[in-house]
Amino acid sequence: SAVISQKPSRDICQRGTSLTIQCQVDSQVTMMFWYRQQPGQSLTLIATANQGSEATYESGFVIDKFPISRPNLTFSTLTVSNMSPEDSSIYLCSVDGQGSAFFGQGTRLTVV
Amino acid sequence: GENVEQHPSTLSVQEGDSAVIKCTYSDSASNYFPWYKQELGKRPQLIIDIRSNVGEKKDQRIAVTLNKTAKHFSLHITETQPEDSAVYFCAATTGNTPLVFGKGTRLSVIA
Repeated sequence: SAVISQKPSRDICQRGTSLTIQCQVDSQVTMMFWYRQQPGQSLTLIATANQGSEATYESGFVIDKFPISRPNLTFSTLTVSNMSPEDSSIYLCSVDGQGSAFFGQGTRLTVV
Repeated sequence: GENVEQHPSTLSVQEGDSAVIKCTYSDSASNYFPWYKQELGKRPQLIIDIRSNVGEKKDQRIAVTLNKTAKHFSLHITETQPEDSAVYFCAATTGNTPLVFGKGTRLSVIA
């Protein structure tokens, strides 16, 4: 399985600001995914980050709010823009491993 | 698109007893079904998976069964231990789409 490093591990941010989360993989992967996990809830896919093309967003998530970069096959960033308390959540990156998903350690975001 | 239902949402068992968690899926094209364990404050970890060409798979105290006709699959944990306490998620995919997760089952093993 791939080794996935995600940072920051946690942050407390003021409403109206933006936070960029980084995800680094130790091997080249075709697809990277960004999930949100609200407290006590399941994992909800935000978008699929494709290298060389725009990210594919799931229903309810838009690029202006969650811009994603994928400059190469080992790295991606997710930005949470113009944050509000409702954005407080855990954000996880993951990579595809022959159908399954392996996750970074997550970023616990609190918006105050 | 795929929809995955998971039951129960919470489960308490005595140490040493068995635990069973059940999931149903809606897309008959789904062919890969992983299970994840998430301990408090940690990332989800893959614990076992099954592909649609197999009816059952076992790994020590953990087993997964798949019924393609009924579109349901189950996680079985035998001889439960306190360290099995966690939230368990099932998921499904066709292989061409991202995983769709169930809502999770919080398992408590009481010593």
